[in-house]
Amino acid sequence: AQSVTQLDSQVPVFEEAPVELRCNYSSSVSVYLFWYVQYPNQGLQLLLKYLSGSTLVESINGFEAEFNKSQTSFHLRKPSVHISDTAEYFCAVRENTGGFKTIFGAGTRLFVKA
Amino acid sequence: EAGVAQSPRYKIIEKRQSVAFWCNPISGHATLYWYQQILGQGPKLLIQFQNNGVVDDSQLPKDRFSAERLKGVDSTLKIQPAKLEDSAVYLCASIGQERPNEQFFGPGTRLTVL
Repeated sequence: AQSVTQLDSQVPVFEEAPVELRCNYSSSVSVYLFWYVQYPNQGLQLLLKYLSGSTLVESINGFEAEFNKSQTSFHLRKPSVHISDTAEYFCAVRENTGGFKTIFGAGTRLFVKA
Repeated sequence: EAGVAQSPRYKIIEKRQSVAFWCNPISGHATLYWYQQILGQGPKLLIQFQNNGVVDDSQLPKDRFSAERLKGVDSTLKIQPAKLEDSAVYLCASIGQERPNEQFFGPGTRLTVL
């Protein structure tokens, strides 16, 4: 069975500092990987996804994540964070075996301080 | 395009009462999900519909939870009777054929059971 572990429940960081949110997964088959962001009182929004091809994927607002098959990881990074990046970030995994069942991690709360 | 609509946004009830949530997915989206997100945890799938048929309800507590999508468009999720541990945000999401790997989430319904 697939599972997702987000290693940090909270990550406080100063504005303009770099950040990494860690995500590890477990699956016996190939997977699709996702990062979702949830701003306060809003639904989840897709931030970026890995389906196939290049292992480095980027979002339009400066985040990137790299799929590492050997380490079964999909860590999210941003070289310089803004106050507006304060939100909850969820890593998610879907097995590439048909259907659309997605397993979410417990989330990491990113808190950007001025 | 209009997003996924959910109502109500907030609901407070006492234990043993009944409650119902409504979701209207993005027009044309055949796949619809209901998730339960307990505070501090990631979303957990309750039920998945493909048009008006149930694809996966293995994690739905069927003794108290029920869901339907009679015409393959909007959906309702009901809890009867509610328990304290049902306090959570209930998220609805949908997927369309044009972007089959991206779930679009509604804003959620926050349920508090007293």
